[in-house]
Amino acid sequence: DIQMTQSPSTLSASVGDRVTITCRASQNVSTWLAWYQQKAGKAPKLLIYKASSLESGVPSRFSGSGSGTEFTLTISSLQPDDFATYYCQQYAGTFGQGTKVEIK
Amino acid sequence: EVQLVESGGHLVQPGGSLRLSCSGSGFTFSSYSMHWVRQAPGKGLEYVSAISNNGGRAYYADSAKGRFTISRDNSKNIVFLQMRSLRAEDTAIYYCAKGRLVLPAAMDYWGQGTLVTVSS
Repeated sequence: DIQMTQSPSTLSASVGDRVTITCRASQNVSTWLAWYQQKAGKAPKLLIYKASSLESGVPSRFSGSGSGTEFTLTISSLQPDDFATYYCQQYAGTFGQGTKVEIK
Repeated sequence: EVQLVESGGHLVQPGGSLRLSCSGSGFTFSSYSMHWVRQAPGKGLEYVSAISNNGGRAYYADSAKGRFTISRDNSKNIVFLQMRSLRAEDTAIYYCAKGRLVLPAAMDYWGQGTLVTVSS
C-alpha cells in the first residue's frame, strides 16, 4: 500500500502568513493527488485535485504543486476562515495523517 | 445542487452487520464514481471503498477487504456499504462522497456522514 506522510502535524500561524504543508508519497503517484480542508464537525472539502488544479469556488490563495512523491499545499495569505485541518490523498485511497493549522 | 445523504448508521454489537446507504441527487449519478471514507472519533480520514460509475469495479482498503461490500443502484441513485463482522475499531463517522470523474478520482462532494458505533 502507498503511504502518505504529511508535515508538519501541527502548524501555528497568524492571519496574513504564508503557509506551506508538505505531503510525501511512499511510491510514485504521478499527479494523482488531492488536498482537502476539514473543519471541526464538518465533512471534508476538496481544495485541489490532480496535484495543482484549483477546485471551483476555492479561493485563489490556495495552490498546490508537485508530482511523483513530493507535493505541497500553499496558502499565500492565511485568512481567519483557513484555520482547519488539511489532508492530502492519493487517488487510489490513502490519506495523509493531517496537518492542523492553528492560530498563533 | 449536489446532495448526498447517508443513512443506516447506529449502534451494533461486535461481530454484527450493518448496511449503510447514500442517496445522491443534483447530478447524473450513473456518470460518477462513488466513495466511502470514515473518520474514527478524534482521528484522521481513512479511505474505505470505492465503486466505478457502472458498478463494474470496486476497491477496498485492507481494513475493509473480505468484510465490507460496496454496491450501487443507478436506477435509484443510491450507493451501499454492506459491513459484516464489525469490530470496535470500525466505530467511526462514515462519509459518502462523489468522485470528480470515473475511478481514480478526487472527491468533490461529501455527505454529512452517518455514525456507526460498534460496542457491546
